[in-house]
Amino acid sequence: GDSVTQTEGLVTLTEGLPVMLNCTYQTIYSNPFLFWYVQHLNESPRLLLKSFTDNKRTEHQGFHATLHKSSSSFHLQKSSAQLSDSALYYCALSDRVYYGNEKITFGAGTKLTIKP
Amino acid sequence: ETAVFQTPNYHVTQVGNEVSFNCKQTLGHDTMYWYKQDSKKLLKIMFSYNNKQLIVNETVPRRFSPQSSDKAHLNLRIKSVEPEDSAVYLCASSYRGGGSQNTLYFGAGTRLSVL
Repeated sequence: GDSVTQTEGLVTLTEGLPVMLNCTYQTIYSNPFLFWYVQHLNESPRLLLKSFTDNKRTEHQGFHATLHKSSSSFHLQKSSAQLSDSALYYCALSDRVYYGNEKITFGAGTKLTIKP
Repeated sequence: ETAVFQTPNYHVTQVGNEVSFNCKQTLGHDTMYWYKQDSKKLLKIMFSYNNKQLIVNETVPRRFSPQSSDKAHLNLRIKSVEPEDSAVYLCASSYRGGGSQNTLYFGAGTRLSVL
C-alpha cells in the first residue's frame, strides 16, 4: 500500500535559519497528490500547501515545496524560520485512481520548534 | 472560521461504556471522514463516507461504527470502549467532485479519555 516517510520526528531551529522538512513517499500510482498540513498547539490540522504537478514549485505563507516524482519526494522549505512556525507538520499522499475510494495517507509528522 | 463542527470537545468514560461523537460540516462537501490521532500524534484514517458509500478501514475494530444521515453529518459510535481508544477523534470533510484535489478540512476534535 501507500506510505509516507518523514525522517525527522523533531526539528529544533533558531529563528531566522532556513527550514527543511523531509518527505518521501511510496505509491504504485503514477499521479499522486501530495500535501503538507500544519497543526499548531491545541488546534486541528489545516492545509499548508499541495501539489500534483511534477517539478513545479508550490508556495504558501512563506513555505514552498516541489514534487519530484523521480525521487518520490515533497520536501517542505522556508528561507527564514519564525517563532510562529513552531508546530506539527504532516506530509500526506492521496491517490485518485478510484473515484469514491480515495485514500489519504499521512506521515508520522515532524514537530518543528523555533527558538529565539 | 470553523466549518466542521464536532461535539463534544471532551469526553471521559469508563471501560465498557458506549460513546457517540457528532460531526457536522457546513461546507457543502460530499465526503466526510473520521481520523484518530493518538498520543504520539499519529493520524490514522478510520472511515470515509462518500455519497452514502461507506469505506471502512479494515484495521478498525468492530466496536467502532460510523453513522450518517446525509452528506453533512457523520457520527461515530464506540460500542464498548477500551483503554486504547483514548485519543483525539478528528472529523474532516472534503469535496471530491470536479477534479478536486481532496483537501481535508478538519474539525476541532473530540478528546476521549477512557479510565
